Amino acid sequence: SQTIHQWPATLVQPVGSPLSLECTVEGTSNPNLYWYRQAAGRGLQLLFYSVGIGQISSEVPQNLSASRPQDRQFILSSKKLLLSDSGFYLCAWGHNSPLHFGNGTRLTVT
Amino acid sequence: TQLLEQSPQFLSIQEGENLTVYCNSSSVFSSLQWYRQEPGEGPVLLVTVVTGGEVKKLKRLTFQFGDARKDSSLHITAAQPGDTGLYLCAGVKGGANNLFFGTGTRLTVIP
Repeated sequence: SQTIHQWPATLVQPVGSPLSLECTVEGTSNPNLYWYRQAAGRGLQLLFYSVGIGQISSEVPQNLSASRPQDRQFILSSKKLLLSDSGFYLCAWGHNSPLHFGNGTRLTVT
Repeated sequence: TQLLEQSPQFLSIQEGENLTVYCNSSSVFSSLQWYRQEPGEGPVLLVTVVTGGEVKKLKRLTFQFGDARKDSSLHITAAQPGDTGLYLCAGVKGGANNLFFGTGTRLTVIP
Protein backbone atom coordinates (compact mmCIF):
# COMPACT_ATOMS: atom_id res chain seq x y z
CA SER A 1 0.00 0.00 0.00
CA GLN A 2 1.04 3.56 -0.56
CA THR A 3 2.14 5.84 2.25
CA ILE A 4 3.26 9.43 2.44
CA HIS A 5 5.61 10.79 5.05
CA GLN A 6 6.00 14.43 5.84
CA TRP A 7 8.26 15.98 8.46
CA PRO A 8 8.69 17.66 10.76
CA ALA A 9 5.17 17.82 12.22
CA THR A 10 5.80 21.18 13.81
CA LEU A 11 8.49 23.78 13.32
CA VAL A 12 9.24 27.14 14.87
CA GLN A 13 11.73 29.25 12.99
CA PRO A 14 12.90 32.87 13.32
CA VAL A 15 12.37 35.39 10.56
CA GLY A 16 15.22 35.29 8.06
CA SER A 17 16.17 31.69 8.73
CA PRO A 18 16.15 29.01 6.02
CA LEU A 19 13.48 26.32 5.65
CA SER A 20 13.47 22.78 4.40
CA LEU A 21 10.39 20.56 4.60
CA GLU A 22 10.61 17.07 3.22
CA CYS A 23 8.00 14.72 1.85
CA THR A 24 8.48 11.16 0.67
CA VAL A 25 6.07 8.67 -0.85
CA GLU A 26 6.28 4.89 -0.70
CA GLY A 27 4.53 2.18 -2.64
CA THR A 28 4.02 3.96 -5.94
CA SER A 29 6.09 5.12 -8.90
CA ASN A 30 6.17 8.39 -10.78
CA PRO A 31 3.47 10.08 -8.72
CA ASN A 32 2.40 13.67 -9.21
CA LEU A 33 3.54 15.52 -6.09
CA TYR A 34 2.07 18.67 -4.57
CA TRP A 35 2.75 21.24 -1.88
CA TYR A 36 -0.23 23.10 -0.44
CA ARG A 37 -0.52 25.76 2.24
CA GLN A 38 -3.62 26.01 4.39
CA ALA A 39 -4.73 29.08 6.32
CA ALA A 40 -6.25 28.39 9.72
CA GLY A 41 -9.22 26.05 9.21
CA ARG A 42 -9.74 27.03 5.61
CA GLY A 43 -9.20 25.77 2.09
CA LEU A 44 -5.94 24.78 0.49
CA GLN A 45 -3.76 26.93 -1.72
CA LEU A 46 -1.61 25.06 -4.23
CA LEU A 47 2.00 26.23 -4.05
CA PHE A 48 3.91 23.81 -6.29
CA TYR A 49 3.35 20.61 -8.18
CA SER A 50 5.64 18.20 -9.96
CA VAL A 51 4.95 15.58 -12.61
CA GLY A 52 8.47 14.14 -12.58
CA ILE A 53 12.03 14.43 -11.29
CA GLY A 54 13.32 17.97 -11.66
CA GLN A 55 9.99 19.21 -13.04
CA ILE A 56 8.46 21.88 -10.82
CA SER A 57 5.53 24.15 -11.55
CA SER A 58 4.88 27.14 -9.33
CA GLU A 59 1.34 28.34 -8.86
CA VAL A 60 1.91 31.54 -6.91
CA PRO A 61 4.85 33.94 -6.63
CA GLN A 62 6.26 33.72 -3.14
CA ASN A 63 9.24 33.37 -0.90
CA LEU A 64 9.35 29.60 -1.34
CA SER A 65 10.81 27.11 -3.78
CA ALA A 66 10.41 23.39 -4.37
CA SER A 67 12.63 20.63 -5.65
CA ARG A 68 12.18 16.99 -6.62
CA PRO A 69 15.58 15.33 -6.47
CA GLN A 70 14.17 11.79 -6.59
CA ASP A 71 10.99 10.25 -7.97
CA ARG A 72 9.27 10.02 -4.60
CA GLN A 73 10.85 12.93 -2.76
CA PHE A 74 9.53 16.47 -2.75
CA ILE A 75 11.18 19.29 -0.81
CA LEU A 76 9.84 22.73 0.07
CA SER A 77 12.48 25.36 0.82
CA SER A 78 13.07 28.96 1.61
CA LYS A 79 16.33 30.90 1.91
CA LYS A 80 14.87 33.50 4.29
CA LEU A 81 11.55 33.01 6.02
CA LEU A 82 9.04 35.81 6.41
CA LEU A 83 6.39 36.13 9.10
CA SER A 84 3.77 35.61 6.39
CA ASP A 85 5.20 32.16 5.66
CA SER A 86 3.61 30.83 8.85
CA GLY A 87 0.94 28.24 8.16
CA PHE A 88 0.07 24.59 7.76
CA TYR A 89 1.93 22.98 4.86
CA LEU A 90 0.59 19.84 3.28
CA CYS A 91 2.30 17.49 0.86
CA ALA A 92 0.17 15.26 -1.38
CA TRP A 93 0.57 12.69 -4.11
CA GLY A 94 -1.71 11.37 -6.80
CA HIS A 95 -1.97 9.74 -10.18
CA ASN A 96 -4.49 12.17 -11.65
CA SER A 97 -7.05 12.57 -8.85
CA PRO A 98 -7.89 12.13 -6.00
CA LEU A 99 -5.03 13.26 -3.85
CA HIS A 100 -3.52 11.55 -0.83
CA PHE A 101 -2.22 13.91 1.81
CA GLY A 102 0.47 13.76 4.44
CA ASN A 103 -0.27 14.89 7.97
CA GLY A 104 1.17 18.33 7.41
CA THR A 105 3.78 20.57 8.99
CA ARG A 106 2.72 23.42 11.23
CA LEU A 107 5.25 26.20 10.61
CA THR A 108 5.43 29.19 12.92
CA VAL A 109 7.77 32.00 11.96
CA THR A 110 8.62 34.22 14.92
CA THR B 1 -9.69 34.36 -6.96
CA GLN B 2 -11.62 31.54 -5.28
CA LEU B 3 -13.27 29.25 -7.79
CA LEU B 4 -15.27 27.28 -5.24
CA GLU B 5 -17.20 28.87 -2.41
CA GLN B 6 -18.53 26.76 0.42
CA SER B 7 -21.36 27.65 2.75
CA PRO B 8 -21.78 27.86 5.57
CA GLN B 9 -18.24 28.61 6.67
CA PHE B 10 -18.97 27.39 10.22
CA LEU B 11 -21.73 25.13 11.44
CA SER B 12 -22.43 24.01 14.98
CA ILE B 13 -25.31 21.62 15.54
CA GLN B 14 -26.64 19.18 18.10
CA GLU B 15 -26.15 15.45 17.74
CA GLY B 16 -28.98 13.91 15.76
CA GLU B 17 -29.73 16.95 13.61
CA ASN B 18 -29.48 17.02 9.83
CA LEU B 19 -27.35 19.47 7.87
CA THR B 20 -26.38 20.42 4.35
CA VAL B 21 -23.12 21.96 3.15
CA TYR B 22 -22.97 23.67 -0.21
CA CYS B 23 -20.13 24.04 -2.69
CA ASN B 24 -20.79 26.54 -5.46
CA SER B 25 -18.96 27.85 -8.49
CA SER B 26 -19.60 29.61 -11.77
CA SER B 27 -17.15 27.20 -13.43
CA VAL B 28 -17.83 23.74 -14.82
CA PHE B 29 -15.80 20.86 -13.40
CA SER B 30 -15.11 17.46 -14.90
CA SER B 31 -15.51 15.94 -11.44
CA LEU B 32 -15.80 17.02 -7.86
CA GLN B 33 -14.37 15.56 -4.70
CA TRP B 34 -15.25 15.91 -1.03
CA TYR B 35 -12.62 15.59 1.70
CA ARG B 36 -12.80 15.65 5.47
CA GLN B 37 -9.93 16.96 7.54
CA GLU B 38 -9.35 16.54 11.26
CA PRO B 39 -7.11 18.91 13.27
CA GLY B 40 -3.41 18.30 12.72
CA GLU B 41 -3.98 15.91 9.84
CA GLY B 42 -4.25 16.05 6.08
CA PRO B 43 -7.59 15.89 4.25
CA VAL B 44 -8.97 12.43 3.52
CA LEU B 45 -11.09 11.73 0.46
CA LEU B 46 -14.74 10.89 1.13
CA VAL B 47 -16.17 10.65 -2.38
CA THR B 48 -15.75 11.65 -6.02
CA VAL B 49 -18.74 12.56 -8.18
CA VAL B 50 -18.33 12.67 -11.92
CA THR B 51 -21.66 12.84 -13.71
CA GLY B 52 -24.00 15.84 -13.60
CA GLY B 53 -26.89 15.05 -11.25
CA GLU B 54 -25.04 12.13 -9.70
CA VAL B 55 -25.92 11.20 -6.13
CA LYS B 56 -23.66 9.07 -3.95
CA LYS B 57 -24.33 7.84 -0.47
CA LEU B 58 -21.77 6.98 2.16
CA LYS B 59 -23.67 5.74 5.22
CA ARG B 60 -25.34 8.88 6.62
CA LEU B 61 -23.65 11.19 4.09
CA THR B 62 -25.29 11.99 0.75
CA PHE B 63 -23.34 13.79 -1.95
CA GLN B 64 -24.87 15.34 -5.03
CA PHE B 65 -23.24 16.84 -8.10
CA GLY B 66 -25.24 19.58 -9.77
CA ASP B 67 -26.78 18.92 -13.17
CA ALA B 68 -24.52 21.53 -14.77
CA ARG B 69 -21.44 20.23 -12.86
CA LYS B 70 -20.90 23.65 -11.28
CA ASP B 71 -21.95 22.89 -7.74
CA SER B 72 -22.33 20.15 -5.19
CA SER B 73 -23.90 19.49 -1.83
CA LEU B 74 -23.17 17.27 1.13
CA HIS B 75 -26.09 16.27 3.33
CA ILE B 76 -25.53 14.56 6.67
CA THR B 77 -28.42 12.80 8.36
CA ALA B 78 -28.53 12.40 12.13
CA ALA B 79 -25.12 13.97 12.69
CA GLN B 80 -22.78 12.33 15.18
CA PRO B 81 -19.87 13.88 17.14
CA GLY B 82 -17.56 11.80 14.95
CA ASP B 83 -18.69 13.87 11.95
CA THR B 84 -16.92 16.90 13.42
CA GLY B 85 -14.23 18.25 11.14
CA LEU B 86 -13.40 20.51 8.23
CA TYR B 87 -15.20 19.55 5.03
CA LEU B 88 -13.56 20.56 1.77
CA CYS B 89 -14.89 20.29 -1.73
CA ALA B 90 -12.45 20.24 -4.64
CA GLY B 91 -13.24 20.57 -8.31
CA VAL B 92 -11.22 19.13 -11.16
CA LYS B 93 -10.82 21.22 -14.30
CA GLY B 94 -8.90 19.92 -17.26
CA GLY B 95 -5.83 17.88 -16.38
CA ALA B 96 -4.70 16.18 -13.22
CA ASN B 97 -2.97 19.24 -11.86
CA ASN B 98 -6.02 21.45 -11.94
CA LEU B 99 -7.66 20.58 -8.63
CA PHE B 100 -9.27 23.60 -6.98
CA PHE B 101 -10.23 23.46 -3.34
CA GLY B 102 -13.21 25.20 -1.80
CA THR B 103 -13.09 27.58 1.14
CA GLY B 104 -14.06 24.86 3.64
CA THR B 105 -16.87 24.29 6.13
CA ARG B 106 -16.00 23.64 9.73
CA LEU B 107 -18.62 21.40 11.31
CA THR B 108 -18.96 20.87 15.04
CA VAL B 109 -21.45 18.29 16.30
CA ILE B 110 -22.27 18.78 19.97
CA PRO B 111 -23.08 15.63 21.95
